[in-house]
Amino acid sequence: NAGVMQNPRHLVRRRGQEARLRCSPMKGHSHVYWYRQLPEEGLKFMVYLQKENIIDESGMPKERFSAEFPKEGPSILRIQQVVRGDSAAYFCASSELPGNRGGHTDTQYFGPGTRLTVL
Amino acid sequence: SQKIEQNSEALNIQEGKTATLTCNYTNYSPAYLQWYRQDPGRGPVFLLLIRENEKEKRKERLKVTFDTTLKQSLFHITASQPADSATYLCALPGGYQKVTFGIGTKLQVIP
Repeated sequence: NAGVMQNPRHLVRRRGQEARLRCSPMKGHSHVYWYRQLPEEGLKFMVYLQKENIIDESGMPKERFSAEFPKEGPSILRIQQVVRGDSAAYFCASSELPGNRGGHTDTQYFGPGTRLTVL
Repeated sequence: SQKIEQNSEALNIQEGKTATLTCNYTNYSPAYLQWYRQDPGRGPVFLLLIRENEKEKRKERLKVTFDTTLKQSLFHITASQPADSATYLCALPGGYQKVTFGIGTKLQVIP
């Protein structure tokens, strides 16, 4: 059973370009989470999606960032008009059940991350 | 606001000794707490989950304690090995469907 897959592993963009990061959850998982990790900082939650639905995007910057998880295909995190401050590692995680329900939880399994560098 | 504190300074210990990492939190009443391991250039890997009604949990050489009065969790690795060198992250439920991570403590086990 393959784990969470992310591609590309490394992405270099110039300021103003668009970045598309892809995440394929583990087989059987329908819940996807995106996190950002800046150097010397912790993982920061960005967005939680189920198939065709954004459930919680409270950690997502209001502009330039969007995410989707279509019925078919991987989840996509899209960053438009990238700036140098967007340089970070972006991790995707998936779970079989919702991540936090009334004290019950399901483990989130993380992908290897995409390292975005904005020149 | 909710806050998770982990010692951001690296912890260096001799091989064979017990490593103890600390996670303190404020403004939380979590139903559970998790510990993850992260190696350089890799995603976090889940290690252990401990619930609020559990004082201690063990998995092989790992032991986690959870003191909801002190608002603290301790993560122990006994008989540490160089392969245990990594960054260890504490994580708490951050609200509906979210998990909030601490900054992590870097452990270096010296042969």
